[in-house]
Amino acid sequence: DVKVTQSSRYLVKRTGEKVFLECVQDMDHENMFWYRQDPGLGLRLIYFSYDVKMKEKGDIPEGYSVSREKKERFSLILESASTNQTSMYLCASSPSGGRGGYTFGSGTRLTVV
Amino acid sequence: GENVEQHPSTLSVQEGDSAVIKCTYSDSASNYFPWYKQELGKRPQLIIDIRSNVGEKKDQRIAVTLNKTAKHFSLHITETQPEDSAVYFCAASLRGNTPLVFGKGTRLSVIA
Repeated sequence: DVKVTQSSRYLVKRTGEKVFLECVQDMDHENMFWYRQDPGLGLRLIYFSYDVKMKEKGDIPEGYSVSREKKERFSLILESASTNQTSMYLCASSPSGGRGGYTFGSGTRLTVV
Repeated sequence: GENVEQHPSTLSVQEGDSAVIKCTYSDSASNYFPWYKQELGKRPQLIIDIRSNVGEKKDQRIAVTLNKTAKHFSLHITETQPEDSAVYFCAASLRGNTPLVFGKGTRLSVIA
């Protein structure tokens, strides 16, 4: 019973391309997050959203943007992909008010060549 | 902002032994501390969490302890099994509804 779905498991893009990573959750969670995971660096927060059309910058937002037009969907956009954005991208959702931990998606491994 | 340090980065134990992973946090206002387990090629999954009004919490072979004064919390796994091999992440948040700040992870290997 997959609850947070990321559209692609593996993705290869060229430098300069605009890249869209999609995340959909079916738990009616208010909060959604995008992290990137790199060896030795753990999980670093890129952007998050507490409500439709809301977005907040995380720790490493440069080179990224997000879109949340519907409660269940949170998209991460790489405006002009660069090789240093090669990484594993993890989407997560959680209920509001700190009532529970995150549920993660399976991740998208993006390679920029 | 919050900063979470996690140690050790790698840990090897014999099957049946205990494993302990420690984390420290910087902001005394943090009040929610979850632990995630990530098996190879899979998504991180919540295994246990603790809130700042509790000192210890157990779930079968897993326990988490919290020392608010010292600002550190630990994960304890007893009677380790090969299926416990994974990367474990600790995390903290200032309030329950703020984003989690994660430690850099501990790769646990349980040797049969």
